[in-house]
Amino acid sequence: AQSVTQLDSQVPVFEEAPVELRCNYSSSVSVYLFWYVQYPNQGLQLLLKYLSGSTLVKGINGFEAEFNKSQTSFHLRKPSVHISDTAEYFCAVSLIIQGAQKLVFGQGTRLTINP
Amino acid sequence: EAGVTQSPTHLIKTRGQQATLRCSPISGHTSVYWYQQALGLGLQFLLWYDEGEERNRGNFPPRFSGRQFPNYSSELNVNALELEDSALYLCASSLDRGAYEQYFGPGTRLTVT
Repeated sequence: AQSVTQLDSQVPVFEEAPVELRCNYSSSVSVYLFWYVQYPNQGLQLLLKYLSGSTLVKGINGFEAEFNKSQTSFHLRKPSVHISDTAEYFCAVSLIIQGAQKLVFGQGTRLTINP
Repeated sequence: EAGVTQSPTHLIKTRGQQATLRCSPISGHTSVYWYQQALGLGLQFLLWYDEGEERNRGNFPPRFSGRQFPNYSSELNVNALELEDSALYLCASSLDRGAYEQYFGPGTRLTVT
């Protein structure tokens, strides 16, 4: 079975501090990985994706993530956060199972930025 | 280019009624996905439509159903509403059935009283 685990349900940080949101996945096949952000009362917005190639992926709003196959991780990082980064972040893995694409989400991490 | 749109934004129903939610995908996208985001339960996959056909279904009872129209827009119907159906329902679209990226709409907030 394939699953996604986001290790922290809530992460509070101070403004301008660095942040890392952790994501681990379990899969026996090649995976495609995503991070989505959900601002209050909105839908999900794609932050970044890993499909192949360089394991360091850069996304929007200064976020980046590193795919680590040996540790089955895809942690999201930002060197300096802003108040506007307060949101819920979802890690997801996309798999093709019997011809059907499935996007499996983690439980989400609520990032709170304190001034 | 317009993104995924959903209507209505909010929907209030009473237990036992039926709800209909609508979604228009990004122009040129043929696949539409529905997800339920209930408090404390995260994002749960509901249904996937591609080229007018239901391609996959999540672990939800048959009273959750839908369809995809020739213009690729989609409708989600929830019959015999229960209180626990209260949630944000998100629609996403992708270019085709082989595309990995999904683009989400703003959601419909369904409240069942």
